[in-house]
Amino acid sequence: DGGITQSPKYLFRKEGQNVTLSCEQNLNHDAMYWYRQDPGQGLRLIYYSQIVNDFQKGDIAEGYSVSREKKESFPLTVTSAQKNPTAFYLCASSLQLAPQHFGDGTRLSIL
Amino acid sequence: GENVEQHPSTLSVQEGDSAVIKCTYSDSASNYFPWYKQELGKRPQLIIDIRSNVGEKKDQRIAVTLNKTAKHFSLHITETQPEDSAVYFCAASTITGGGNKLTFGTGTQLKVEL
Repeated sequence: DGGITQSPKYLFRKEGQNVTLSCEQNLNHDAMYWYRQDPGQGLRLIYYSQIVNDFQKGDIAEGYSVSREKKESFPLTVTSAQKNPTAFYLCASSLQLAPQHFGDGTRLSIL
Repeated sequence: GENVEQHPSTLSVQEGDSAVIKCTYSDSASNYFPWYKQELGKRPQLIIDIRSNVGEKKDQRIAVTLNKTAKHFSLHITETQPEDSAVYFCAASTITGGGNKLTFGTGTQLKVEL
């Protein structure tokens, strides 16, 4: 959806390095989400935030961190503790009681 | 937590035939069931959704049915076309006041052959 912007499109991480994936939305959505997608698999929830300054762990939060200081922004940091970070990362947002809409994703690879 | 199973993992149909994808869920509290279509390397796009107070919903060639008692829901695509070829994901969640935490199935690769 045009209102959810993820950057960069491609990202490379060196061993021991933290990297941050950006997600910005101009849809005035309250809730934002981060998913990880591995080849041939479904989407798995990493973190989600229902309101500014609050977020909850999803099913696979280990090795990741997030912040929600502004309504429109929900950056995801992939830390060096995440030993298998190569994946397609998708950010989504939604209004309350409404469907989630996704950004175009960031493909993270290891150098 | 919620667990969603999706079948089949791959589905090949002839153009013009119908395609059916089935999902089951485990949490009886789930009340929202969207379906997403994802083309290779692209974002998932919502194609249809259904809430638990409805048994069936239709949008042109696409329909979704929900059986709450059996905890399963299905996507039906009629008169398939080559552009329907993609990966389809079902999902389930309990919508709350602050948003909805989706649990996805593992996807179905649909191929529509000429």
